[in-house]
Amino acid sequence: AQSVTQPDIHITVSEGASLELRCNYSYGATPYLFWYVQSPGQGLQLLLKYFSGDTLVQGIKGFEAEFKRSQSSFNLRKPSVHWSDAAEYFCAVGAGGGGADGLTFGKGTHLIIQP
Amino acid sequence: EPEVTQTPSHQVTQMGQEVILHCVPISNHLYFYWYRQILGQKVEFLVSFYNNEISEKSEIFDDQFSVERPDGSNFTLKIRSTKLEDSAMYFCASSTLYRNEQFFGPGTRLTVL
Repeated sequence: AQSVTQPDIHITVSEGASLELRCNYSYGATPYLFWYVQSPGQGLQLLLKYFSGDTLVQGIKGFEAEFKRSQSSFNLRKPSVHWSDAAEYFCAVGAGGGGADGLTFGKGTHLIIQP
Repeated sequence: EPEVTQTPSHQVTQMGQEVILHCVPISNHLYFYWYRQILGQKVEFLVSFYNNEISEKSEIFDDQFSVERPDGSNFTLKIRSTKLEDSAMYFCASSTLYRNEQFFGPGTRLTVL
């Protein structure tokens, strides 16, 4: 069965500083990987996705993530955070076959931005 | 930009009552999903639906739950007899044929009293 681990429950970053949120997955084949963001009281917005090809993927809002198969990781990065980035971030994995497979989410990382 | 919509945004019900949560997926999408998020916990997959039948379901999706696509646009989740532990945010999602890129709605917060 697939699983996702986000080891950091909370992360505090100063505005303008760089950010890295960690995600490790467990899946027997090539996974589809996603990062979603959830602002308070809101739904889930897709930040970026990895299906195949270039292991460094660019997303919206200046985010990027790197797929490292050898480490089973898909860490999210941003060079300079803004106060509006404060939110809950979820890493998710889907089966590589696509179709109707449900996504498996991590427990999320709560990002706090200090002024 | 097309989006998934859900109604109502908040539903309060008494334990033992039936509730139906409504979703309108993106119009050209073919796969539909329900997830739930208990307060403070991770998002959990409930069920996926394709070609008018359930494609996959989790162990959470027991006989109390059912899904339906009653017409060409709506996708519903029914909970037959609600329990206190059903209180959660329920998200609907939809995707195209390939690659599982799922677009989520804003959610319905269900409160069971």
